[in-house]
Amino acid sequence: DIQMTQSPSSLSASVGDRVTITCRASQSISSYLNWYQQKPGKAPKLLIYAASSLESGVPSRFSGSGSGTDFTLTISSLQPEDFATYFCQQGYSIPRTFGQGTKLEIK
Amino acid sequence: QMQLQESGPGLVKPSETLSLNCTVSGGSISSYYWSWIRQPPGKGLEWIGYIYSSGNTKYNPSLKNRVTISVDTSKNQFSLKLSSVTAADTAVYYCARVSAGYKRSGFDYWGQGTLVTVSS
Repeated sequence: DIQMTQSPSSLSASVGDRVTITCRASQSISSYLNWYQQKPGKAPKLLIYAASSLESGVPSRFSGSGSGTDFTLTISSLQPEDFATYFCQQGYSIPRTFGQGTKLEIK
Repeated sequence: QMQLQESGPGLVKPSETLSLNCTVSGGSISSYYWSWIRQPPGKGLEWIGYIYSSGNTKYNPSLKNRVTISVDTSKNQFSLKLSSVTAADTAVYYCARVSAGYKRSGFDYWGQGTLVTVSS
């Protein structure tokens, strides 16, 4: 199985901050990397697919980059509704695997 | 707008079989892959498996001997069966659609999730 490791596990930030979350795969996954946002009691929401492509309807302050084993999700200017947990997921091989999550909290 | 809705018992006894359905509305189940994903309370996400509308399946090897996913295109529905459950199978279970398209491998539509508790 491909292991996905996110850092940090939690992060405190303020509205307007620029935030970066990192996801590392245990082997190369090309650009088969997806990012999700999950709020308490809700299903995850797809934000970024293929490492850097913005899902339809997702605000442009979200961006993704990377290929191979190292990936980042960046939120350019945090909004109040962005405080949530973020997960990465590899779509390169079976079984599909997720990172452990990064909880983004208000400072 | 496509919607997915999970249904099934919220409480299952240890050693019994967990059974859930996912009904798809607002679009056809045909020509897509459909997945089950679970999340133990307060923990991360685990992919259980997926099925294509034709019936081809792939399962997570960690669950392979216990899991069966099936599809009923006439009802626009797919289903999960997980046998010999234990307390470790207590989780919110989500059904989701696998995105289609070049380098698209994520899950773009999700059900709201249903909590299944394994307890006697």
